[in-house]
Amino acid sequence: GAVVSQHPSWVICKSGTSVKIECRSLDFQATTMFWYRQFPKQSLMLMATSNEGSKATYEQGVEKDKFLINHASLTLSTLTVTSAHPEDSSFYICSARDWEGGDNSPLHFGNGTRLTVT
Amino acid sequence: GQNIDQPTEMTATEGAIVQINCTYQTSGFNGLFWYQQHAGEAPTFLSYNVLDGLEEKGRFSSFLSRSKGYSYLLLKELQMKDSASYLCAPMDSNYQLIWGAGTKLIIKP
Repeated sequence: GAVVSQHPSWVICKSGTSVKIECRSLDFQATTMFWYRQFPKQSLMLMATSNEGSKATYEQGVEKDKFLINHASLTLSTLTVTSAHPEDSSFYICSARDWEGGDNSPLHFGNGTRLTVT
Repeated sequence: GQNIDQPTEMTATEGAIVQINCTYQTSGFNGLFWYQQHAGEAPTFLSYNVLDGLEEKGRFSSFLSRSKGYSYLLLKELQMKDSASYLCAPMDSNYQLIWGAGTKLIIKP
């Protein structure tokens, strides 16, 4: 089955520093990957859609200069949280669908990254 | 607008059957997904329905009625490991998944 690998699983950083999260599709190619954020007991919130070879599409209210997304290849997307603040502490999850499966094929999720900003 | 309605929390007994209902409103419709999410973990795919009717997959079954904007997830022979949140996620006309807060299922021995 389709596997999405996300790294790191957890990270603690100091306020003002930047953190990079990687998302890889291991056994399929993904022209599009999705970055979500989830606060405790809340629903998944789509932050942005990462498009291979072009600019990411950000959801309303998400600062593109703060959450930098790079999708340099068909199997790798990265999210960099710049100048992190305590309110950025959250569970970040990436997902992707196999582009050969069509637009309505299931999303497969990485294991998520728990970010704590002190 | 787009919205999803699921019970916030349900409790069931090990070995029993539980049905988690979901009603939804979306701009267009391209199917509905059910995901399982254990606490502190990412969601995992359970099922997909695009046509009316029941899809059975082992202990889990999912039903869809497009005309009613209604789906349910049926879990049989409940096990303690089934304690998790269950997310109903319809897909709109732009192939975007719409996420609610899910239903937290608590299994008691």
